[in-house]
Amino acid sequence: EPEVTQTPSHQVTQMGQEVILRCVPISNHLYFYWYRQILGQKVEFLVSFYNNEISEKSEIFDDQFSVERPDGSNFTLKIRSTKLEDSAMYFCASRDVGGLWNEQFFGPGTRLTVL
Amino acid sequence: DQQVKQNSPSLSVQEGRISILNCDYTNSMFDYFLWYKKYPAEGPTFLISISSIKDKNEDGRFTVFLNKSAKHLSLHIVPSQPGDSAVYFCAARNRFGNEKLTFGTGTRLTIIP
Repeated sequence: EPEVTQTPSHQVTQMGQEVILRCVPISNHLYFYWYRQILGQKVEFLVSFYNNEISEKSEIFDDQFSVERPDGSNFTLKIRSTKLEDSAMYFCASRDVGGLWNEQFFGPGTRLTVL
Repeated sequence: DQQVKQNSPSLSVQEGRISILNCDYTNSMFDYFLWYKKYPAEGPTFLISISSIKDKNEDGRFTVFLNKSAKHLSLHIVPSQPGDSAVYFCAARNRFGNEKLTFGTGTRLTIIP
């Protein structure tokens, strides 16, 4: 069964460093998303991406964040200068282009720890 | 901003009995609701969904009920199995084409053998 994959599973970085989180969405999906979950809190939407551009972003997704689809398979989230409060699980998701009601499929997540 | 609320952080149910997980929402613009299941160290796994034009959707052991007037939905699992022990998230999508899902805080379901 096709699935969303994410690498690395755990990333530890120093405050102020740049990190790139990588995702490989399901191959025939065309809508891509990033969410995050801070420990003990709810899953929060960050950004959605379609047709090589951001279609929606939350207030969390400020200038420190960017997304890119560098080739036909990868979808990345970059945090330019990490802060302590960026420590969270980051989930990538993808959705088929089909009808209105298609669900989003999530990857296993990357645990980001900022020291 | 608690547009989607799951007021029970945890629930314990005997194996074989019915598990009922509840979710309330405040935004009347939500038109599509989903339930996700999450095991530790894994991403959310889609379970079942319901459109606002329906009041019930069933898939095997899982049934979701939607009461639009009360802005309430529930997930019924029957019979409950040990493998159902996980955190369950309710999520909702806004009708005006927005892509984002708004999640509740989750309910940890424990099935007692």
